[in-house]
Amino acid sequence: GENVEQHPSTLSVQEGDSAVIKCTYSDSASNYFPWYKQELGKRPQLIIDIRSNVGEKKDQRIAVTLNKTAKHFSLHITETQPEDSAVYFCAPPGGYNKLIFGAGTRLAVHP
Amino acid sequence: DTEVTQTPKHLVMGMTNKKSLKCEQHMGHRAMYWYKQKAKKPPELMFVYSYEKLSINESVPSRFSPECPNSSLLNLHLHALQPEDSALYLCASSQDRLAGGNNEQFFGPGTRLTVL
Repeated sequence: GENVEQHPSTLSVQEGDSAVIKCTYSDSASNYFPWYKQELGKRPQLIIDIRSNVGEKKDQRIAVTLNKTAKHFSLHITETQPEDSAVYFCAPPGGYNKLIFGAGTRLAVHP
Repeated sequence: DTEVTQTPKHLVMGMTNKKSLKCEQHMGHRAMYWYKQKAKKPPELMFVYSYEKLSINESVPSRFSPECPNSSLLNLHLHALQPEDSALYLCASSQDRLAGGNNEQFFGPGTRLTVL
């Protein structure tokens, strides 16, 4: 089955710094690469995704980059703010109608 | 309506009780999901329904029984649970891949279940 690894497990940055989270997957047939954000006590919510036919996608302060050859994709957050503090999950597909969630990265942004 | 709703928000039950969790969406999604999430862990897939038919059961114990009465509703019936089943139960929905969906899943707020 699909094997997903996410690093780091925790990340602590100062407000205004950048944060990068990496996700490695095993299924070479994967063609959809999302990142979900889960704030404390809240539901997971999609923040950005990318399809396999592009290498990078940006949405304001967040971006996702994809390296299909190396089978990894990364979440980049620039100019971090305290409200970015949350757990972030990558979730590449693991079959029909199925996402495989990474173990999560707990991001803390300190003012 | 772009939300998935779940009831109840909290549930405390004994090991001999029978209870049900409910999930509803009105986005026209034909794929619906149940996940279990323990503290500081990722959501763990339990069941997937596609066009009201069970398509994935991730070897979930039979004390959890899913039901999809129509395209908007998803239930999870609980019976004879164990304390280790205490967790946040999340429902999600998405366009079905058969309909060209992109796998984006929309999550409900969850039911926090405590089994005594």
